[in-house]
Amino acid sequence: DQQVKQNSPSLSVQEGRISILNCDYTNSMFDYFLWYKKYPAEGPTFLISISSIKDKNEDGRFTVFLNKSAKHLSLHIVPSQPGDSAVYFCAASDLRGGADGLTFGKGTHLIIQP
Amino acid sequence: DAGVIQSPRHEVTEMGQEVTLRCKPISGHDYLFWYRQTMMRGLELLIYFNNNVPIDDSGMPEDRFSAKMPNASFSTLKIQPSEPRDSAVYFCASRFGRQGFDEPQHFGDGTRLSIL
Repeated sequence: DQQVKQNSPSLSVQEGRISILNCDYTNSMFDYFLWYKKYPAEGPTFLISISSIKDKNEDGRFTVFLNKSAKHLSLHIVPSQPGDSAVYFCAASDLRGGADGLTFGKGTHLIIQP
Repeated sequence: DAGVIQSPRHEVTEMGQEVTLRCKPISGHDYLFWYRQTMMRGLELLIYFNNNVPIDDSGMPEDRFSAKMPNASFSTLKIQPSEPRDSAVYFCASRFGRQGFDEPQHFGDGTRLSIL
């Protein structure tokens, strides 16, 4: 059973436009959510996170939104740039419950078209 | 800043051989995690340590897998004997566990393991 789901394996967006990546989760104990970006032959790189006590967190061009009632989070990238082309992973953990390991979605391959 | 360092980057070996993967976490980080990435299952947690003590090894697939953390700056993941289905990319990550603060995990670049 997949506790973290990214239903879009790939997404193509024009340069300069907004990219919206979505993630759904089923475990209501998750209280910390992260987005990672991954280039080929490299490890995942931390992008942005959000605690369950918040519903929005911004860092430059990146904003993460959390809707706890819907068990849904999204990552907005605006404006999208060619260097944003990568695989994006959504991840979650139950830190307050002492489960520090991350549960990952399968990833969304974002392609920024020039 | 030195990140998480994994070695080797690539390993090709024959079925039945012992494989040892190595990880050096970021200095000062007290949590260390081992993950495996496959096409079928994606990224999955194998085991993690806090202050060199294994906390959760429920993700370790079989007794053929073992992990150790003899000190704060070194960990190994060993597979003995190795099988073709163990072929995957193995990632190590570390995190600073500050009480009351959510801290992200930082990943190494992985070891690509191929068992022939």
